[in-house]
Amino acid sequence: EVQLLESGGALVQPGGSLRLSCVASGFTFSPYAMGWVRQAPGRGLEWVSGFCGTGFTAGSACTYSSESAEGRFTISRDNSKNTLYLQLSSLTPEDTAVYYCAKGLGSSPVHYFEHWGQGTPVTVSS
Amino acid sequence: EIVLTQSPATLSLSPGQRATLSCRASQTVHNYIAWYQQKLGQAPRLLIYDASNRATGIPARFSGRQSGTVFTLTISSLEPEDLGVYYCQHRYNWQITFGQGTRLEIK
Repeated sequence: EVQLLESGGALVQPGGSLRLSCVASGFTFSPYAMGWVRQAPGRGLEWVSGFCGTGFTAGSACTYSSESAEGRFTISRDNSKNTLYLQLSSLTPEDTAVYYCAKGLGSSPVHYFEHWGQGTPVTVSS
Repeated sequence: EIVLTQSPATLSLSPGQRATLSCRASQTVHNYIAWYQQKLGQAPRLLIYDASNRATGIPARFSGRQSGTVFTLTISSLEPEDLGVYYCQHRYNWQITFGQGTRLEIK
């Protein structure tokens, strides 16, 4: 059974930083793209960032991010630990959301999301 | 940025009825559209990908189709557990955006 377990969400002050983690189990981690999607309270889904799986050879970049995340958030992964990360910096109250880790349907960093974790909440407030 | 516009905002139907949800893309996305169901307090669940392919374990009453830049999710015969918010998503041109969602209520 595929499981994605996020952690690291917290209450942080504006301008602060945070690192989210997502530990995956139940499948072979490295070949699949992984991503982060967030959902502000009472709002819809917003894609944050994606990281390719091994074997992705389309000749393009391996990571992509939304405009709101570009330059502030950094996605990374450690295949030896089956773990995906999201480093958040220069946080604003508009970044307050539940952050979901999700497994891509294939290796492209921009994909559909076949499995999702239960999310970790991030609150940015003074 | 490609905008996905979903309609209607809310749909209220009875069990056994047919539900038709629409997602219009602001420009071509080829067939790179997925549909998700999100129940209250839960993570989303992938229903359909590449416009018309059902994801693993999804019942046959869920189907998707495409007509140009308009994508449709149909639930042929509603079950009480189908209530929730439905989102479309594209993955075209190295970006992802979601529609704003359609809330499906079961009478």
